[in-house]
Amino acid sequence: AQSVTQLDSHVSVSEGTPVLLRCNYSSSYSPSLFWYVQHPNKGLQLLLKYTSAATLVKGINGFEAEFKKSETSFHLTKPSAHMSDAAEYFCVVSVGGNTPLVFGKGTRLSVIA
Amino acid sequence: DAGVIQSPRHEVTEMGQEVTLRCKPISGHDYLFWYRQTMMRGLELLIYFNNNVPIDDSGMPEDRFSAKMPNASFSTLKIQPSEPRDSAVYFCASSPMGAKNIQYFGAGTRLSVL
Repeated sequence: AQSVTQLDSHVSVSEGTPVLLRCNYSSSYSPSLFWYVQHPNKGLQLLLKYTSAATLVKGINGFEAEFKKSETSFHLTKPSAHMSDAAEYFCVVSVGGNTPLVFGKGTRLSVIA
Repeated sequence: DAGVIQSPRHEVTEMGQEVTLRCKPISGHDYLFWYRQTMMRGLELLIYFNNNVPIDDSGMPEDRFSAKMPNASFSTLKIQPSEPRDSAVYFCASSPMGAKNIQYFGAGTRLSVL
């Protein structure tokens, strides 16, 4: 079975400083990994995905994530936070086929002016 | 495309009443998913369809919950009778053939059962 652990339930950064949202996964097979973002009162939106190609994945809005198999990690980063980045972020794992996506508990990102 | 459309956006009902949530997936998408989001349990998959056929309903909490997809452009999630513990945000998502895991979410229905 696969699982995902988001190590921080809440991260607070100042505008213009780097963002790091941590995610570790567990999977018996080669996983696909995703980050989704949920702004208040909105549905989830795909930020980026890793599907066994390049280990450094670039997404929308300046976010990127690096797949590290040795560390079973898929941390999300952004060099400079913007106020509009304040949202809930979900790390998601899948092993494909008919198995469903497995969502982490989410990390709430606050950006301070 | 307008994206995944869910209605209503908010629903307040009394315990014991029937509740019907509606979803219109993105045109041309072959998969449709129903999720429930709560503070305690996070985001849970309830059921998903492929080409209007239910594939996995193992996440449906109990017999009070049922979902249908009568055609490619419409799905319902029904709760009868509703209970206060059903209060949550319910999301519908759809995805295209060949990219089942690239899911597009609706804005959700916030259900409050009093």
